[in-house]
Amino acid sequence: NAGVTQTPKFQVLKTGQSMTLQCAQDMNHEYMSWYRQDPGMGLRLIHYSVGAGITDQGEVPNGYNVSRSTTEDFPLRLLSAAPSQTSVYFCASSPWQGVKQYFGPGTRLTVT
Amino acid sequence: GQQLNRSPQSMFIQEGEDVSMNCTSSSIFNTWLWYKQDPGEGPVLLIALYKAGELTSNGRLTAQFGITRKDSFLNISASIPSDVGIYFCAGRIDTNAGKSTFGDGTTLTVKP
Repeated sequence: NAGVTQTPKFQVLKTGQSMTLQCAQDMNHEYMSWYRQDPGMGLRLIHYSVGAGITDQGEVPNGYNVSRSTTEDFPLRLLSAAPSQTSVYFCASSPWQGVKQYFGPGTRLTVT
Repeated sequence: GQQLNRSPQSMFIQEGEDVSMNCTSSSIFNTWLWYKQDPGEGPVLLIALYKAGELTSNGRLTAQFGITRKDSFLNISASIPSDVGIYFCAGRIDTNAGKSTFGDGTTLTVKP
């Protein structure tokens, strides 16, 4: 199993550009989540999904969209990038009512 | 929403020393989790705690779920250089693994 994969690893955007961060897992996990991590801080939940076709907002959803058309994939869309969205983005998955979240390696995004 | 306060923010210790860190919450959690993050990687689960008063060990790591359900601590005994990293606590109210609230993390440096 590859586990949780994220692409790209690094990205630089200009203010106002849009892009999609990709996340995929091959463990057939129901739960998937997106977090952002700012320097010196913990992870803050952006959006999460409890299964294909079902998504919900976390703590900091503004400026981001998600969809879950398949169990495997959970892309995160930045609609109009802003410098405040400069961060490291982590995707995670876990099985139904499982405790352990499996994190991807992260995408480092800089918005200039 | 819930707020998690961690202590200390960072620690510089000598190899072989014991380490203790803790998290406190403004509200109760039903599950406490401790993660470690190595540079450039996503967090990895170390220990999960499920009920108030529970004391759980994983090798040189010991964690406890506070009686009030608003705090938890993590001890590392006989530290070694590979213990270097950022340690995060996380709390969950419900069984939804995708909705963990993370603290800001304690950065541990171990001098050989």
